[in-house]
Amino acid sequence: QKEVEQNSGPLSVPEGAIASLNCTYSDRGSQSFFWYRQYSGKSPELIMFIYSNGDKEDGRFTAQLNKASQYVSLLIRDSQPSDSATYLCAVNTAGRRALTFGSGTRLQVQP
Amino acid sequence: GAVVSQHPSWVICKSGTSVKIECRSLDFQATTMFWYRQFPKQSLMLMATSNEGSKATYEQGVEKDKFLINHASLTLSTLTVTSAHPEDSSFYICSARDRYRGDEKLFFGSGTQLSVL
Repeated sequence: QKEVEQNSGPLSVPEGAIASLNCTYSDRGSQSFFWYRQYSGKSPELIMFIYSNGDKEDGRFTAQLNKASQYVSLLIRDSQPSDSATYLCAVNTAGRRALTFGSGTRLQVQP
Repeated sequence: GAVVSQHPSWVICKSGTSVKIECRSLDFQATTMFWYRQFPKQSLMLMATSNEGSKATYEQGVEKDKFLINHASLTLSTLTVTSAHPEDSSFYICSARDRYRGDEKLFFGSGTQLSVL
């Protein structure tokens, strides 16, 4: 089992819709969860982080964390074509200072 | 957010040559920097953890004699790919954490696309 799992996609949504991206992780001791956005050929850009169970909102983005289910998600409201990118879920695993990344979900927002 | 500068952005080299990649934290101090590698359509894979003033810690399967890491100051880490071969062609990305922040956020450099002919 991979430490961090994501559906590779592509996830295709129409412009203006809500995009829902999901991620599961295997280490119950993980405390910090991050969502990065990566455009093709570019390095990842941090867009959201969450540490506590529940929802965290920042503009059009909402991160949701459920530690009991080992599940973290990212909602993007009013999706725009410029949101088209690969979204990487990252988790800190016990005993490691680096983050462990999922394989990413490619999002396509159709104009 | 904190700024991490990485150079060069891309490099093309002949097989057998060595390539050095620099990673600098511009507005913060980083006792630890991380080097990742990303092949096309794959995720970031941690190669090694660079520690200021001490030896780097390499992930399983990463050859330390091939990927030389030097972290000589709190703001600079370098990765040297020695005797590069075509299979080393990849996107190399450094990242760092602000030593004075109380969180786990990683900030990434812009990445280096290495192509070995």
